[in-house]
Amino acid sequence: DQQVKQNSPSLSVQEGRISILNCDYTNSMFDYFLWYKKYPAEGPTFLISISSIKDKNEDGRFTVFLNKSAKHLSLHIVPSQPGDSAVYFCAASSGGYQKVTFGTGTKLQVIP
Amino acid sequence: EPEVTQTPSHQVTQMGQEVILRCVPISNHLYFYWYRQILGQKVEFLVSFYNNEISEKSEIFDDQFSVERPDGSNFTLKIRSTKLEDSAMYFCASSEYETSGDNEQFFGPGTRLTVL
Repeated sequence: DQQVKQNSPSLSVQEGRISILNCDYTNSMFDYFLWYKKYPAEGPTFLISISSIKDKNEDGRFTVFLNKSAKHLSLHIVPSQPGDSAVYFCAASSGGYQKVTFGTGTKLQVIP
Repeated sequence: EPEVTQTPSHQVTQMGQEVILRCVPISNHLYFYWYRQILGQKVEFLVSFYNNEISEKSEIFDDQFSVERPDGSNFTLKIRSTKLEDSAMYFCASSEYETSGDNEQFFGPGTRLTVL
């Protein structure tokens, strides 16, 4: 049941450049999308979210874009920093439900 | 900054034994969750809990699992008769409201369960 898909298991980016992490979903009932960052031996940490009524949400170096017609969202990190190196999970939920469905994650490595 | 805590950090048990994983959610949060992540796989939702009862559960959360809020601060996951395939990281999470808008879930550091 792959309702949330992250097709790139890993990504390497030079420090200072833009990191773009992609996510696709299949369930059109999803109306809230989140990105979590996870370091080894730690739990996922909330990064940024977007409601389905928006197509962009920005928080500092992080911007999430949502394309509902394509059922696609992306996370842009600019400029990328070595401390951004982590596994990034895309996640989604439906209004009125607490269950959050996670993608498989993309491991980002930012090279100094 | 308030955080979700989990104990123990690592639990080793024999197949068939019962384990209890413990969590202390953030104090003013009302919704509580358990997730698990089998090594190399994605984080999977197990159950959500609100107002002292299960509000949602996944197909993974079968009769061998149960959750409880025994007092005002702890939230526990009990696994009866553990199986080898129960080996995973178990994450507890809590949120102030149901997950929508800006009410994200805050995760604990996880308990690594190893079933031998």
